[in-house]
Amino acid sequence: ELKVEQNPLFLSMQEGKNYTIYCNYSTTSDRLYWYRQDPGKSLESLFVLLSNGAVKQEGRLMASLDTKARLSTLHITAAVHDLSATYFCAARSGGSNYKLTFGKGTLLTVNP
Amino acid sequence: DADVTQTPRNRITKTGKRIMLECSQTKGHDRMYWYRQDPGLGLRLIYYSFDVKDINKGEISDGYSVSRQAQAKFSLSLESAIPNQTALYFCATSAAGANVLTFGAGSRLTVL
Repeated sequence: ELKVEQNPLFLSMQEGKNYTIYCNYSTTSDRLYWYRQDPGKSLESLFVLLSNGAVKQEGRLMASLDTKARLSTLHITAAVHDLSATYFCAARSGGSNYKLTFGKGTLLTVNP
Repeated sequence: DADVTQTPRNRITKTGKRIMLECSQTKGHDRMYWYRQDPGLGLRLIYYSFDVKDINKGEISDGYSVSRQAQAKFSLSLESAIPNQTALYFCATSAAGANVLTFGAGSRLTVL
């Protein structure tokens, strides 16, 4: 059974600082996803990582995937208050069972 | 109009009542999902459907049932609601391939 662990679960950072959220998954997965959830809102897709070594960037966020280590990272560069949200990673089971398993989420608070 | 519409958005009910949460989509996606979100637990998959004739249990299906009435409609039922089913419920859809989920706005259910 695929399990997904994120850390940290809570992250409080100052504006302008850099930090990384880690996402480990337990068994082979052929896709890794990052989603963002603003308070009281739904989830929106940020990145889909399809292969080992994949890197995607959007603004101050950069996601990467190491399938050998079963690890994805979401790196935040020079954080700003607008990045405050909960970030979820999710891994997709391989084979014919294409369902996603989510991590518990990382609540990011960026303080002025 | 939203691509994925959930009704009701908020519902308060009593233990033992039957509840139906409805989901409709205009994305044209074949795949539909019901997730439950609880604080600190992330999102957990209740049921998923890859087409009208395909229904699959997720990791927490006990106490729930679903109906895929059409490609665009996927309903979640609680036959006899209990307080620990109090949660935020999300419907999501995806196309085949990269499997990026599009989420509805969520249905907040409170069982007293």
